Amino acid sequence: KAGVTQTPRYLIKTRGQQVTLSCSPISGHRSVSWYQQTPGQGLQFLFEYFSETQRNKGNFPGRFSGRQFSNSRSEMNVSTLELGDSALYLCASSLGGGQEETQYFGPGTRLLVL
Amino acid sequence: AQSVTQLDSQVPVFEEAPVELRCNYSSSVSVYLFWYVQYPNQGLQLLLKYLSGSTLVKGINGFEAEFNKSQTSFHLRKPSVHISDTAEYFCAVIKRGFQKLVFGTGTRLLVSP
Repeated sequence: KAGVTQTPRYLIKTRGQQVTLSCSPISGHRSVSWYQQTPGQGLQFLFEYFSETQRNKGNFPGRFSGRQFSNSRSEMNVSTLELGDSALYLCASSLGGGQEETQYFGPGTRLLVL
Repeated sequence: AQSVTQLDSQVPVFEEAPVELRCNYSSSVSVYLFWYVQYPNQGLQLLLKYLSGSTLVKGINGFEAEFNKSQTSFHLRKPSVHISDTAEYFCAVIKRGFQKLVFGTGTRLLVSP
């Protein structure tokens, strides 16, 4: 089975722009979570989607949003980019979204905001 | 609120030596515990997890961890490390009822010959 894939792998944007990142989960997985990784704040939970519905949300401003499609693929969008949004964005998928399930991570999208 | 503390930001060790990476968590409710590894320019890979039952958990690549409820610890151990174990290791918890991993700040394991 193919693993979690994320596109693009690298992205450079300027302040004020918006960006959309994509995540394709492992086939059959219905839960997708997004995390932000920065040197200063570490790994932080953004949100989780299951069956096209956002179930959980972290403490991020409304500029961060996401969605999930019927095939479980997910996108996250960041509007009005700030320098502090530079980070590695990781998505993870799991089968049914249960807390005990293993979350399988993709390689991440590295976003640089100039 | 739950939190995870990884006491060591960096652990240098020689090849074939044993290693222990420390993790403590705080939570007023039951949690599930995980250790993930991140190799350079890659995502996170699960090493092992504790859900319930036996407090000694064995994972991949020869790693194991012991859940200690009284000390709220979940330390990761390997009896003999390899150069290829050089990576960043993250301890994480999920509070039961929430689908949200809370990660520690990570420990960089540096294995030298």
